[in-house]
Amino acid sequence: DAGVIQSPRHEVTEMGQEVTLRCKPISGHNSLFWYRQTMMRGLELLIYFNNNVPIDDSGMPEDRFSAKMPNASFSTLKIQPSEPRDSAVYFCASSRFGGNYGYTFGSGTRLTVV
Amino acid sequence: GQQLNQSPQSMFIQEGEDVSMNCTSSSIFNTWLWYKQDPGEGPVLLIALYKAGELTSNGRLTAQFGITRKDSFLNISASIPSDVGIYFCAGPLSGNTPLVFGKGTRLSVIA
Repeated sequence: DAGVIQSPRHEVTEMGQEVTLRCKPISGHNSLFWYRQTMMRGLELLIYFNNNVPIDDSGMPEDRFSAKMPNASFSTLKIQPSEPRDSAVYFCASSRFGGNYGYTFGSGTRLTVV
Repeated sequence: GQQLNQSPQSMFIQEGEDVSMNCTSSSIFNTWLWYKQDPGEGPVLLIALYKAGELTSNGRLTAQFGITRKDSFLNISASIPSDVGIYFCAGPLSGNTPLVFGKGTRLSVIA
């Protein structure tokens, strides 16, 4: 089992550029979560999907953020245009819906917007 | 919004010492989880608790689900250098809603 795979591990971009973060969940997991981690706010849920359908995106900070899950094995989180305050570590996690909350997290993408 | 309050925020201990940390909330939780995050990695589940009063161990780690269902505790016995990291408590606000996380307790172990 390769676990949850996120790419890239690190991303440095200039303000105003589009950023796309990618996630491959564990096969057989039908819930996928995007979290953002900062020193000030800790781990915040941005959006989650059940069976590829977005359920709650109330955590997405602005319209500049969007997420898709076109199939069970792939999800993207896009920021357009990026701003310095978007700098954070973005985590993807997956689990079995209705399971015991044993989320498996990826290793994260550290985003720096300059 | 709903908060899970963890204390202490950080701690420095000598190798071999025992560690205690806790997590509290103003609301009732029906599930409590403890995660550990190593530097540069994502959080990893350590212990899951599903019943008030439950005491569960995983090696040198022991966690308890408070009887009020508004708190939980994590103890680490005989700490070792690889215990270094950030420990998070987490729980679902209700039903099958996603996990909310505390801000973590950062543990440093001095050899």
